[in-house]
Amino acid sequence: GNSVTQMEGPVTLSEEAFLTINCTYTATGYPSLFWYVQYPGEGLQLLLKATKADDKGSNKGFEATYRKETTSFHLEKGSVQVSDSAVYFCALSAPHSGGSNYKLTFGKGTLLTVNP
Amino acid sequence: EAEVAQSPRYKITEKSQAVAFWCDPISGHATLYWYRQILGQGPELLVQFQDESVVDDSQLPKDRFSAERLKGVDSTLKIQPAELGDSAMYLCASSETQGFSTDTQYFGPGTRLTVL
Repeated sequence: GNSVTQMEGPVTLSEEAFLTINCTYTATGYPSLFWYVQYPGEGLQLLLKATKADDKGSNKGFEATYRKETTSFHLEKGSVQVSDSAVYFCALSAPHSGGSNYKLTFGKGTLLTVNP
Repeated sequence: EAEVAQSPRYKITEKSQAVAFWCDPISGHATLYWYRQILGQGPELLVQFQDESVVDDSQLPKDRFSAERLKGVDSTLKIQPAELGDSAMYLCASSETQGFSTDTQYFGPGTRLTVL
């Protein structure tokens, strides 16, 4: 079946540090890949997405590249801010159990805390 | 910017009571999803609607959970009777289309359910 494995947290960084959150996936066919962010007490917000191999998604200084050869979609940011503190979820969209219906499968999430 | 609305934001109930959650998707979005998110985990799909029809309810515990979207717009998720293990965040999401891996799902703020 489809699955997403992402870096265990929590991750604690100082402001302006470089961020990497690793994400690898297993899926049939050619999934689309997403990063969602969840701020405390809120729902999920789409951060970025990539729909085919070698695509780079980017938003708010965050980037992730769809690497089919390594089945990875690692999230990076060159200089984090305190306001980036949140839980980050990697997800894929692919047909489920041999059917034609596309479903989002999420990783367990990575808690990021950025200190001033 | 259009948003997915959910109510209530918080619900505390006692074991064996009935609870209901409401969701209003972004206007014009044909597909509506209900997810359950246990603390420290990623969301898991409970049920998916395409207009008023159920597309996938394979993970919905049908002995106690029910969901409807009678006019293909807003939706209600019900639990009767609630059990301690139902304590979680219940998220609603919507997307414009269904059947494409590239579809972006937009999430509401969620309902935090606590069962005592």
